[in-house]
Amino acid sequence: AQTVTQSQPEMSVQEAETVTLSCTYDTSENNYYLFWYKQPPSRQMILVIRQEAYKQQNATENRFSVNFQKAAKSFSLKISDSQLGDTAMYFCAFMKHGGYSTLTFGKGTMLLVSP
Amino acid sequence: NAGVTQTPKFQVLKTGQSMTLQCAQDMNHNSMYWYRQDPGMGLRLIYYSASEGTTDKGEVPNGYNVSRLNKREFSLRLESAAPSQTSVYFCASSEAYIRVGTEAFFGQGTRLTVV
Repeated sequence: AQTVTQSQPEMSVQEAETVTLSCTYDTSENNYYLFWYKQPPSRQMILVIRQEAYKQQNATENRFSVNFQKAAKSFSLKISDSQLGDTAMYFCAFMKHGGYSTLTFGKGTMLLVSP
Repeated sequence: NAGVTQTPKFQVLKTGQSMTLQCAQDMNHNSMYWYRQDPGMGLRLIYYSASEGTTDKGEVPNGYNVSRLNKREFSLRLESAAPSQTSVYFCASSEAYIRVGTEAFFGQGTRLTVV
């Protein structure tokens, strides 16, 4: 079974600054996917970024990038130029490749962006 | 583009009452899931259905039943609601075979309070 750990229950950052959210996971699988989901106060789950484990290159999506360290089983999310709209709960999630699979989530990190 | 639709969005039940949460997706996905979200616990899998006609227990199935009515619809039933089932419930769907580009799509969530 997979486990996903987010060790930072809450974080805060000022507008325009950079913040990094941490995530570690444990799995015996070699091929898998990692995700960061954002949940704003509206409750909607929004996919922020996805990383395929077989890819060495770290994924980026505009102001969002990841630092994927497969050997260390670490998958952190960096948000650059933080905006007020980034205020949300962020969840790290794992899904194994191939066949039927489900998402395993971490407990989440609440990010507050202040002016 | 409806995606995943859940009903109702809010519900208050008395202890011992029963109810069914409805979920429908229009993306022709084979796999569907029910998660519950509790403060500090992340999202935990209740049940999932890898394909029409099959259902499997997740991490926290006790007190729930599910029905995969057809490919589009996956319902969650609470037969005798308990205060411990107060939570936010999410339905999600994805392609059956996990490969590059796979992601899960989520409904808006149902906030259920059992008094």
